Amino acid sequence: GDSVTQMEGPVTLSEEAFLTINCTYTATGYPSLFWYVQYPGEGLQLLLKATKADDKGSNKGFEATYRKETTSFHLEKGSVQVSDSAVYFCALRTGNQFYFGTGTSLTVIP
Amino acid sequence: GAVVSQHPSWVICKSGTSVKIECRSLDFQATTMFWYRQFPKQSLMLMATSNEGSKATYEQGVEKDKFLINHASLTLSTLTVTSAHPEDSSFYICSARPGGSNTGELFFGEGSRLTVL
Repeated sequence: GDSVTQMEGPVTLSEEAFLTINCTYTATGYPSLFWYVQYPGEGLQLLLKATKADDKGSNKGFEATYRKETTSFHLEKGSVQVSDSAVYFCALRTGNQFYFGTGTSLTVIP
Repeated sequence: GAVVSQHPSWVICKSGTSVKIECRSLDFQATTMFWYRQFPKQSLMLMATSNEGSKATYEQGVEKDKFLINHASLTLSTLTVTSAHPEDSSFYICSARPGGSNTGELFFGEGSRLTVL
């Protein structure tokens, strides 16, 4: 079945460091891909998305490119901030169903 | 963007009691809402799909008599955890998609943390 495999955390980085969180997927058909962010004590918020191959989603300095050949949607940010500390979820949607990765906890230290 | 609100955001109850969690779409109508459960340091697990005016569709392994879902209007779905036990303690999150389409962005509530003593 469809699934998402996400890099395990936790990840701890110093402020201004480069961030990569790996995400790969398995899906039949042509899924849309998402990254959601969950700040402490809150629900999930959409961070960025891509709906077809080679699309690049971007928001708040984060980027992810839909790579069909490697079935990946890795999240990157060039310079993280303390305020980026959160849990990040990779997700795919096929039809009406969403599938989430296990989440990667990121802590950015000053 | 569209807003989904959950209430209460946290609740503590005694074992054996029932707890109701509300999920409201504040500025859009949602014929379908989704209920998830999230254990610490784990992903979201889809529990059920709530359909306005009809019975919810439960995922395999989710007890429908334990987790009662009612979707009485286009802006409100409720999840009732009946006869709660400590193992039901979790973070429950709802989500909804504007309109009746099966595509488009999914908006999440803030989540409701349930602690059963």
